[in-house]
Amino acid sequence: NAGVTQTPKFQVLKTGQSMTLQCAQDMNHEYMSWYRQDPGMGLRLIHYSVGAGITDQGEVPNGYNVSRSTTEDFPLRLLSAAPSQTSVYFCASTHRGSSKNIQYFGAGTRLSVL
Amino acid sequence: AQTVTQSQPEMSVQEAETVTLSCTYDTSESNYYLFWYKQPPSRQMILVIRQEAYKQQNATENRFSVNFQKAAKSFSLKISDSQLGDTAMYFCAFMPRGNQFYFGTGTSLTVIP
Repeated sequence: NAGVTQTPKFQVLKTGQSMTLQCAQDMNHEYMSWYRQDPGMGLRLIHYSVGAGITDQGEVPNGYNVSRSTTEDFPLRLLSAAPSQTSVYFCASTHRGSSKNIQYFGAGTRLSVL
Repeated sequence: AQTVTQSQPEMSVQEAETVTLSCTYDTSESNYYLFWYKQPPSRQMILVIRQEAYKQQNATENRFSVNFQKAAKSFSLKISDSQLGDTAMYFCAFMPRGNQFYFGTGTSLTVIP
């Protein structure tokens, strides 16, 4: 199993550009989420989804959109990139109802907005 | 509001010694899960250990163990026989019902040869 796959690993954007960070998992997990990691601030939840067709906002959703058309995929869209969105982004998935409730992470995407 | 606090931004320990990382959390929930994740320089988030709040027994995984004090809302991680490969950022995480995770700000641990 590949687990949680994020692409790309690195990206540089200019202010105002848009892009999509891809996330796919092959574990048939219902719950998926996107975090951003900034120095001294830990991981902050951007958006999450509890199943196909259902998404909700996390702690820092402004400037980001998500959709969940399939169980496997959960892309994160930056509509108009800003320097404040320079960060490391992580996608994660969890099996709901599992006694373990472990969150599995992708390898992360380092994004720089100039 | 659910919050997780890690009050030690940086720590260091001599190789083969023991170190304890602290974590406190705030919640009104009675049933939840607690985790410690490790993030080495590779950036990958790796689960170290997990604890279910309804279990009184502290979780252990080889050299890693926790001290879970539910009344005090404290969840510290003890690393015994520290190894160079333990050098990493460690995040405490809390998951109440609903599957939403809350993370602390992390503790950067350096193991000194």
